[in-house]
Amino acid sequence: RKEVEQDPGPFNVPEGATVAFNCTYSNSASQSFFWYRQDCRKEPKLLMSVYSSGNEDGRFTAQLNRASQYISLLIRDSKLSDSATYLCVVSGNYGQNFVFGPGTRLSVLP
Amino acid sequence: NAGVTQTPKFQVLKTGQSMTLQCAQDMNHEYMSWYRQDPGMGLRLIHYSVGAGITDQGEVPNGYNVSRSTTEDFPLRLLSAAPSQTSVYFCASSPGSSSYNEQFFGPGTRLTVL
Repeated sequence: RKEVEQDPGPFNVPEGATVAFNCTYSNSASQSFFWYRQDCRKEPKLLMSVYSSGNEDGRFTAQLNRASQYISLLIRDSKLSDSATYLCVVSGNYGQNFVFGPGTRLSVLP
Repeated sequence: NAGVTQTPKFQVLKTGQSMTLQCAQDMNHEYMSWYRQDPGMGLRLIHYSVGAGITDQGEVPNGYNVSRSTTEDFPLRLLSAAPSQTSVYFCASSPGSSSYNEQFFGPGTRLTVL
């Protein structure tokens, strides 16, 4: 079993749609959780950290369920510019050994 | 600040050749790491460093060496290139040991081994 698994995708959605990505992790000792965004042929960039209480940043909402070892990302009112691959990332103590999921590709269609 | 820079952007090697991928950061970050990204596999950690003079292996270290003589530079050496090392290589840095530190990535090096 992979340490971090994500929805296989791709997700093709119309502009304005709400889309949710799911991620599960196997290491119960994981301490930190993130969503990164990667545009085609570019480097990953941090989208948002995920906190135990859940957090929101504009149209983006992240949730963490430690008991189920599950992380989610919700994007509301999708824009064309949201088209990218979304990477779920977990790490242990001290921010070392970040483990990346394989990513879920999103295409927002006009 | 230039952030994290990597050279070269593209490289083609023949099997058995050696080369060094360069990575530098100007943010005075303690933590640096190298990843490779292959289709469907996500990014996998090759080696990392928590400070100058300190390096450690990640998930897929075989065939690669690193050193960290300065805070700024973290080169990755391929000792004898193999076709299985064809990949996109990303260098990343982060400020330190806090588990919530963001990682900043370089633009990547696309390597093909024939």
